[in-house]
Amino acid sequence: SAVISQKPSRDICQRGTSLTIQCQVDSQVTMMFWYRQQPGQSLTLIATANQGSEATYESGFVIDKFPISRPNLTFSTLTVSNMSPEDSSIYLCSVTQSASNEKLFFGSGTQLSVL
Amino acid sequence: AQSVTQLGSHVSVSEGALVLLRCNYSSSVPPYLFWYVQYPNQGLQLLLKYTTGATLVKGINGFEAEFKKSETSFHLTKPSAHMSDAAEYFCAVSDFGAGGFKTIFGAGTRLFVKA
Repeated sequence: SAVISQKPSRDICQRGTSLTIQCQVDSQVTMMFWYRQQPGQSLTLIATANQGSEATYESGFVIDKFPISRPNLTFSTLTVSNMSPEDSSIYLCSVTQSASNEKLFFGSGTQLSVL
Repeated sequence: AQSVTQLGSHVSVSEGALVLLRCNYSSSVPPYLFWYVQYPNQGLQLLLKYTTGATLVKGINGFEAEFKKSETSFHLTKPSAHMSDAAEYFCAVSDFGAGGFKTIFGAGTRLFVKA
């Protein structure tokens, strides 16, 4: 199994600012993902964080808005840039030790509120 | 692209009654299918998964699901509900894209258990 530490656990931010969320895993993992869970909704995949190269973004998400870094096999960051109230959501880091995603492990999430 | 449909955003059962949460998927390739559970104020965790082999899979806490290819379904059941089963349940399918495997989640079903 993998233990994921995500921080901050929550934050309240002003419109127009940026927040960087960190995800640290206690072991090397194959894949790292960033999801968004808006209030009362399901998880939406933002991007796959690739080690040493640019992240792979899903439709509707762009690097300028959600820059992602993954400098090694245990750490990744997601930045939410130029925030607006619509960005208020829970952001989740997820990892798998299998290339076929047979089991995902999730961090406890970052609850972001944008005023 | 693969997709997941969960029928019913809310399901309410009495304690001791059968739990049935419905999930249908679309896939152009043999799918990997999952049920994840999110207890209040906790992160998501894997309940059970189907990859290959036996189509009836058993998970934690007495839950099981059956993969029915002809019906493209993966419904989750539990013979007797317990109060502690109250949670949000997500059906998911593993999809292979440009960045490798990624997991797509359904909209979720919130299970309420009445005493």
